[in-house]
Formats: sequence, C-alpha cells, structure tokens
Amino acid sequence: EPEVTQTPSHQVTQMGQEVILRCVPISNHLYFYWYRQILGQKVEFLVSFYNNEISEKSEIFDDQFSVERPDGSNFTLKIRSTKLEDSAMYFCASRSGSSNEKLFFGSGTQLSVL
Amino acid sequence: QKEVEQDPGPLSVPEGAIVSLNCTYSNSAFQYFMWYRQYSRKGPELLMYTYSSGNKEDGRFTAQVDKSSKYISLFIRDSQPSDSATYLCAMKEGSNYKLTFGKGTLLTVNP
Repeated sequence: EPEVTQTPSHQVTQMGQEVILRCVPISNHLYFYWYRQILGQKVEFLVSFYNNEISEKSEIFDDQFSVERPDGSNFTLKIRSTKLEDSAMYFCASRSGSSNEKLFFGSGTQLSVL
Repeated sequence: QKEVEQDPGPLSVPEGAIVSLNCTYSNSAFQYFMWYRQYSRKGPELLMYTYSSGNKEDGRFTAQVDKSSKYISLFIRDSQPSDSATYLCAMKEGSNYKLTFGKGTLLTVNP
C-alpha cells in the first residue's frame, strides 16, 4: 500500500529555534494535513492544505506556524520560534480528494524542544 | 464537557475474546465516525468509516453508531495478539477532514 513518508523521525531543537518538518504525501493525493499529538493527549488537527493554500486551520496554528508545498512532492510544516509546549508527535496526512475516502497518516516526527 | 470522550484503558483480554471499545461525544453536528488503529511509533491507520447511525461490519470488526445517544462502538471478534494497539475514535462534521479524536484506548490481547 502507498505510504506517507515523514522525516526526520525524531527532531531535537533548542527553544527559540526554527524547525522544518518534512512530509512526502502519496503521489496522486491533492489534500494535505498536519496533526499533532502531545504525549498522553489527543491527536489534534492543525491545518489542511489544498491547491497551494491553507483551507482550514485550528486555533493552535498561530503565526509561528506555516506550511508550504515547495515542489510537487514535499509538504512542510515550519515552526518559526519553537516553545517547550511545541514538543509533540507531528503527523502528516494526505488523501486523494474523492468523497469520504481514507486519510493516510505518516509515522510522525517526534519533536522535542529543550 | 469534552467534545469526544474515550476510556483510555488500558484494556487487557485473552486471545479469542470479544472486545468492545466506546466513545461518547457532545457535538450533534458530527456526521462521520471513524475508528483508527495506532501501533507504537506509527501513525493512525483507518479501520472503519461510518456515516450517521447504524452498523457496519468488516471481517472481525463491527462499528456501531447511535446518534440519538451520541455513542459509538467498535467490536472486535476473535481478538488476536496482532490486534494489540491503541484504538482511536474520530469524528467530523462534513466533507472536510478536520477530525476530532478521542484520547485512544490501549488494547492488549494476550496469547
């Protein structure tokens, strides 16, 4: 089965530093998402992206966050100035665009902010 | 009141047992209901997808939705050690994929 690929699997950074989390969605997919899961808490929606623009974002997704599809295959999440509370597992997901179909999640990037 | 509530367990059963996992929710606008399985250090994987109230069966898995009670269930028959994972319920209102998840129930099936 096709896979969403995320790199790196684990990222450690110092508070205040910028990080970029990378995702390669499934090749014919059109809709892209970032979710995150703080340890011991629920998986939370961050942002959805379609046709090179954000279609919806949550209250968590403030000005410190941005997303980009820099080329035809990558989808990135940037955190400009990381805070301790940004430590979480970040999941990228994608889907093809037909109605009510499966959302494919990647294995996640564990971000640790020290 | 939290939007989606799910007993985190952990739940430990012997191989072959019937497992029942449940979620309750408060948002009556939710129309689509999903169950995801998440293995350790992996992303969620969709198991079942249902629209509105009713039952859906897929092999050993049955999903039930009772919108009047705002209650959804996942039943696993003849549980196997390979079913050991965290099970997450998730819901959404319309055609977007802004999913609202439960906290997940950790299931262990013992051989």
